[in-house]
This record gives sequence, structure tokens and C-alpha cells, in this order.
Amino acid sequence: EIQLLESGGGLVQPGGSLRLSCEASGFSFINYAMTWVRQAPGKGLEWVSSTSGNGIITYYGDSVKGRFTFSRDNSNNTLYLQMNSLRAEDTAVYYCVKGSAIATTSTSAFEIWGRGAMVTVSS
Amino acid sequence: SYDLTQPPSVSVSPGQTARITCSGEKLGEKYVCWYQQKAGQSPLLIMYQDFQRPSGIPERFSGSNSGTTATLTISGSQPVDEADYYCQVWDRNTATFGGGTKLTVL
Repeated sequence: EIQLLESGGGLVQPGGSLRLSCEASGFSFINYAMTWVRQAPGKGLEWVSSTSGNGIITYYGDSVKGRFTFSRDNSNNTLYLQMNSLRAEDTAVYYCVKGSAIATTSTSAFEIWGRGAMVTVSS
Repeated sequence: SYDLTQPPSVSVSPGQTARITCSGEKLGEKYVCWYQQKAGQSPLLIMYQDFQRPSGIPERFSGSNSGTTATLTISGSQPVDEADYYCQVWDRNTATFGGGTKLTVL
């Protein structure tokens, strides 16, 4: 069974930093692109970042570019999302998502979603 | 950036056909995915590459995409189908979601 378990969420002050982790199991981790998608309370889905299976190619949404860094440790089947200079508008549930292929292409889908980790940015 | 437009809400009676649209510039030239999110749950992929259903998704769900509009069709809607539905595409290495459509079955 494929499982994605996010951790590291919590309350942080504006301007602060937080690192989310996602432990993956049940599939050949290195062979799939992975993604973070977030959802602000009561709002829709927003794509944050995607990285290829080997972690070499990573794309970011405009709202997080330059502040967030997505990395993966394929030896431990773990993803990381380092979030710096956090703002109130970053408050959301952050989902770790397994892609449908080794790289993100026009045909890629977000196949499996974790339960999410809540990040609250507030003073 | 690429924009996708969905109606905020759609209502249908049980057993009837629900159609949820997703509009975008030259959308028919892209592959559309659809996700279902029930209250308090994580999203679930229910359609990919316009009309392909993942394993385990009921046949009453179907998809199409042409011109500027993609459509998710639920034939014989059931109360269990009540959820938020999101369309999604890739455009120049960026993933975009539609704003979501709340489907009410009553």
C-alpha cells in the first residue's frame, strides 16, 4: 500500500521558517516525481512545487519562488519542503503528492495524496 | 500564468447526470486531470489525460476535452458523489488548478 506521511507542520510567526517532511512507502520512490500542493482554509488547491525522481529538476509556483526549497532524499524515501520568510498567506494544509511518472510532463497526474500537514503563520 | 475557470457550484438530483465544466485558453490542446475532494478528506485523482479513469473509479465518471472546455460527467449521480471537484493542467512546467466546483446531490 502506498503511503505518504507528512510531518513538521505547526504555528510559526511571520518571517519565520519551517521545514515539512514527507515519508513515502509502498512504491519505488526514485522512479516518481513528487509534488507539494497546498490548500488554505476554505479555499481551493494551489500547486507549490514539483521535483523529478532524481531531484535534479524542480519547479516552483510564483507565490513561493525564492522562499521555498523542495528537496528529496532518495536513500530514505523522504521529501523536504524548507519554507522561509513565511507570510500569513502561506497558512494552509500542505499535501505531499506522488506523481504518475518519473518527471513532470504535460501528461503527469497527481496520483496519490497524503493526509496533509497544517501550517499556520500568525503572530 | 494560465487560468482555469470552473462554476462555483452545481446541483443535481440523485440518479441524474451532473456535468462540471472547466474552461481555459486552448484547453483542448492540454491534458486535463480531475480531482474529487470530499469534506475533511484529501483530494483523489478521478480522471487523467482528459478521459482516463484510474483503477477503482466508478464507470459513471467520464471526461472529455475539446476547444476551450473540459467536462467531467457523472452519470447517475449518487449522494456519495457530493464533493468539491477540481480540474488541473500543466502549462510550461507549472501546474494550475481550477477554482473548484462544489457538487450537491439532493
